[in-house]
Amino acid sequence: EPEVTQTPSHQVTQMGQEVILRCVPISNHLYFYWYRQILGQKVEFLVSFYNNEISEKSEIFDDQFSVERPDGSNFTLKIRSTKLEDSAMYFCASGGEVGEQFFGPGTRLTVL
Amino acid sequence: DAKTTQPPSMDCAEGRAANLPCNHSTISGNEYVYWYRQIHSQGPQYIIHGLKNNETNEMASLIITEDRKSSTLILPHATLRDTAVYYCIVRVAYNTDKLIFGTGTRLQVFP
Repeated sequence: EPEVTQTPSHQVTQMGQEVILRCVPISNHLYFYWYRQILGQKVEFLVSFYNNEISEKSEIFDDQFSVERPDGSNFTLKIRSTKLEDSAMYFCASGGEVGEQFFGPGTRLTVL
Repeated sequence: DAKTTQPPSMDCAEGRAANLPCNHSTISGNEYVYWYRQIHSQGPQYIIHGLKNNETNEMASLIITEDRKSSTLILPHATLRDTAVYYCIVRVAYNTDKLIFGTGTRLQVFP
């Protein structure tokens, strides 16, 4: 069964450093999403992406964040200058026209 | 999207049916009820969705009341691996917008 994959599973970085989180969505999906979950809190929407552009972004998704689909398979989330409060699980999801979203296993980002 | 209300936690014995309720009294006519679950910090997993008729798949059954103001997700024979947080989300079907997660119901299945 096709699934969303994410790499790395755990990323440790120093405050102020740039990180890139990578996702490979399900191959025939057209809609892509990033969510995050701070430990003990709700899953929060960050951004959605369709047709090579951002469809919607939340207040969390400020100028420090960017997304890219550099080729036909990868979908990346970049945080330019990480802050302590960026420490969280980051989930990539993809979906088709039906509206169901399929999530990856997540990347745990730890900012020191 | 309509707001949902779920109990914060429930217990269920292994092998028994787990019945997880959800209230969505402000649901609109074109909104569906979706259920996702999250097993211990893994990515949320889609379970099932429905409009007004009862739905069943290999994972669960979804019972929606006639007035559509509430629903129940049924795991017919809960296993320890079903221990998770279950989220009830109301949204327009065939909608590719973001999912809005609440706090869900933490289901603990015990031996």
